[in-house]
Amino acid sequence: NAGVTQTPKFQVLKTGQSMTLQCAQDMNHNSMYWYRQDPGMGLRLIYYSASEGTTDKGEVPNGYNVSRLNKREFSLRLESAAPSQTSVYFCASRPDSNAGTGVTFGSGTRLTVV
Amino acid sequence: RKEVEQDPGPFNVPEGATVAFNCTYSNSASQSFFWYRQDCRKEPKLLMSVYSSGNEDGRFTAQLNRASQYISLLIRDSKLSDSATYLCVVNRGYSGAGSYQLTFGKGTKLSVIP
Repeated sequence: NAGVTQTPKFQVLKTGQSMTLQCAQDMNHNSMYWYRQDPGMGLRLIYYSASEGTTDKGEVPNGYNVSRLNKREFSLRLESAAPSQTSVYFCASRPDSNAGTGVTFGSGTRLTVV
Repeated sequence: RKEVEQDPGPFNVPEGATVAFNCTYSNSASQSFFWYRQDCRKEPKLLMSVYSSGNEDGRFTAQLNRASQYISLLIRDSKLSDSATYLCVVNRGYSGAGSYQLTFGKGTKLSVIP
């Protein structure tokens, strides 16, 4: 099993450009999450999807949109990138939203906006 | 009080030493707790869940004190390979959208020195 797969691993964008970060999991998990990690800020939740067909905002949703394409895939879109969105983005999943289990993370996307 | 608080460290300890990290959380309704490990430039990985009765996994022992709202991680006989950042994670327990979210501490950095 690959677990949680994120693409791309690295990306450089110019301010104002758009892009979509892709995430797929093969563990048959219902819940999926997007986090960003910045120095001194820890991991912050951007958006999550408790189950296929639902998405909700997390702590820092401004400037982002998400799509839960199917049970396996959960994408994160930056419509107009800003330097403040320079960060490491992690996708994660877990069996369901109320389970007493932690999440499994993908290997991350390092995004730089110039 | 921040939702999840950890001492950022760094903790610099010699090989073979015992080291303990604490983490406090503010939401008394929180139901599940975890310790994650994150190596430099890698994704966080689940180290262990934390149970009310305390639990042990090899050299690692986790404790939960609900009355005082803190979680601890004890590492015995530290190895060089234990050098990493340790994240305290709390799963909110109240109903509604919040129940789907994990809150991450900012992490405690451990360096084990030869």
